[in-house]
Amino acid sequence: AQKVTQAQTEISVVEKEDVTLDCVYETRDTTYYLFWYKQPPSGELVFLIRRNSFDEQNEISGRYSWNFQKSTSSFNFTITASQVVDSAVYFCALSGKSGGGADGLTFGKGTHLIIQP
Amino acid sequence: DAGVTQSPTHLIKTRGQQVTLRCSPKSGHDTVSWYQQALGQGPQFIFQYYEEEERQRGNFPDRFSGHQFPNYSSELNVNALLLGDSALYLCASSLTGQVITYEQYFGPGTRLTVT
Repeated sequence: AQKVTQAQTEISVVEKEDVTLDCVYETRDTTYYLFWYKQPPSGELVFLIRRNSFDEQNEISGRYSWNFQKSTSSFNFTITASQVVDSAVYFCALSGKSGGGADGLTFGKGTHLIIQP
Repeated sequence: DAGVTQSPTHLIKTRGQQVTLRCSPKSGHDTVSWYQQALGQGPQFIFQYYEEEERQRGNFPDRFSGHQFPNYSSELNVNALLLGDSALYLCASSLTGQVITYEQYFGPGTRLTVT
């Protein structure tokens, strides 16, 4: 069975601080996919990034960066110079690949990020 | 480029009733997945439809059923509603077939309240 753990329930920082959201996963699949989604107060989940299990390169996109470490089964997300607009609930998710397509996603419980002005 | 759409936005039902939620996938997508998100929790996978068949199912009872139409749109049906079915129901679309997209794009959700 797959499992995603986001140990941080809520994080509050002051604007412009850097913040890291932790994600630890469990899976028996050799091929799997990791994701981060953002859920602002409006409720719609916004896709941020996908990582394949065979690609451990870290990725940077503007103020966002992701650190994938297979050895520790972690896929952490860092926001540099946080802004008030970054306030949202962030979900880490995992899926396998069965047959011809992407499996349903297994989500963590989410981390509520609060950026104070 | 039309994104994922869902209807209705909000719904209030009574215990024991039945409900149908609707979803239209993102333009060009052929696979629809449904999720239930209880308050303060992460979404939980209900099932996935591709080529008008249920391809994968999460740990949900048979009261939850679905359908996919030839135009790829989908319905989620819940029978014999329980108070615990109150949640945000999210639809997500992706692409299978010749090119597989592993990221799923979500709609705005339907907020179901069971009283």
